[in-house]
Amino acid sequence: TQLLEQSPQFLSIQEGENLTVYCNSSSVFSSLQWYRQEPGEGPVLLVTVVTGGEVKKLKRLTFQFGDARKDSSLHITAAQPGDTGLYLCAGAKWAGNQFYFGTGTSLTVIP
Amino acid sequence: NAGVTQTPKFRILKIGQSMTLQCTQDMNHNYMYWYRQDPGMGLKLIYYSVGAGITDKGEVPNGYNVSRSTTEDFPLRLELAAPSQTSVYFCASSTRGAYEQYFGPGTRLTVT
Repeated sequence: TQLLEQSPQFLSIQEGENLTVYCNSSSVFSSLQWYRQEPGEGPVLLVTVVTGGEVKKLKRLTFQFGDARKDSSLHITAAQPGDTGLYLCAGAKWAGNQFYFGTGTSLTVIP
Repeated sequence: NAGVTQTPKFRILKIGQSMTLQCTQDMNHNYMYWYRQDPGMGLKLIYYSVGAGITDKGEVPNGYNVSRSTTEDFPLRLELAAPSQTSVYFCASSTRGAYEQYFGPGTRLTVT
């Protein structure tokens, strides 16, 4: 069973387009993180959101944590080829020591 | 700073063989984790440690063992390799639980 489901699983878009990736669960999380992973490398943290309804921006990337703390979204504006990679969400439970990772969204931005 | 290092980068094992995947971090992090990543499945936690001498099971611990004798090292042991253990293995560390994790480059293991 997968605690966090991401959609879409694969996404291929043209440079300059906008996109949104979703991370959904029936569980409540104390915090949620987004990572990007490039081929042959480990995931690298992009952002952590900790408050229900929180919105964080990182240049062209906008992250939102759902009000009920069960879901999150990642929106990319004017995608660039450098955004290509696997995007992973990861949620932490209250008083826990571990993260539960989502299924991942593989993004390809075509020049 | 080297961060989190893993060896080897690639390994092919025959069914029934054993091996140890090495993980070392130089950031003085108390928490360390082992994950496996299968295609289309995200990362699954195998074992984690909250400090030297303390380890605990994650989601998929069967077929693996760990030890944590020092803060820096967290080796993962496969005793009787099976084809189901073919995967990419990542080690990660963090300053505290459920906090930013720093990942190593991974070990790609094939069991045939």
